Amino acid sequence: DGGITQSPKYLFRKEGQNVTLSCEQNLNHDAMYWYRQDPGQGLRLIYYSQIVNDFQKGDIAEGYSVSREKKESFPLTVTSAQKNPTAFYLCASSYRQGAGKTQYFGPGTRLLVL
Amino acid sequence: AQKVTQAQTEISVVEKEDVTLDCVYETRDTTYYLFWYKQPPSGELVFLIRRNSFDEQNEISGRYSWNFQKSTSSFNFTITASQVVDSAVYFCALSEGKNTDKLIFGTGTRLQVFP
Repeated sequence: DGGITQSPKYLFRKEGQNVTLSCEQNLNHDAMYWYRQDPGQGLRLIYYSQIVNDFQKGDIAEGYSVSREKKESFPLTVTSAQKNPTAFYLCASSYRQGAGKTQYFGPGTRLLVL
Repeated sequence: AQKVTQAQTEISVVEKEDVTLDCVYETRDTTYYLFWYKQPPSGELVFLIRRNSFDEQNEISGRYSWNFQKSTSSFNFTITASQVVDSAVYFCALSEGKNTDKLIFGTGTRLQVFP
């Protein structure tokens, strides 16, 4: 079955620790995205990538980093510089060609700070 | 600037009632795209519909229908004969359709359907 997988489902971070959230897709999509969702709020874009080895900052990139070495994978690292990382993180992907492409989402990772 | 407003924070209905979720958007572009997503308690966002700015036809899919009105910058979503399984948070989103395809989300409307 084609889809997007995210792991882990829950992640705990200690003070000063970097943690990495995994996102993998087998939909053959070119573009991938990371969003953050806080309680009672909509999703906000952290980073996005339209092609391998290229990515751009979204609206709230500070304290986060990404890589895109493979088409299928777009891991997100939450660094110690992110002072309020507790949130629900959603990964999405879409076809690159054409405007207004539909983004399809993974099941999400809930990050909690110990 | 782009903006999506979902003024209804939470709606509660009894099963079989019809319910309409409102979405008002702002954009300066003439070409744009509107989306609705459903987020059930599991957390994953489920795509429901995509509509481009040149297509104002209303759409019906089973118990779901969408009313797009450019004159009022609204893209409202109606669930007919609601069911308990419809309980979720529903998000409206806007994309200006440029290369980045960034989605601007509203804050969501939580729908609770009681048996």
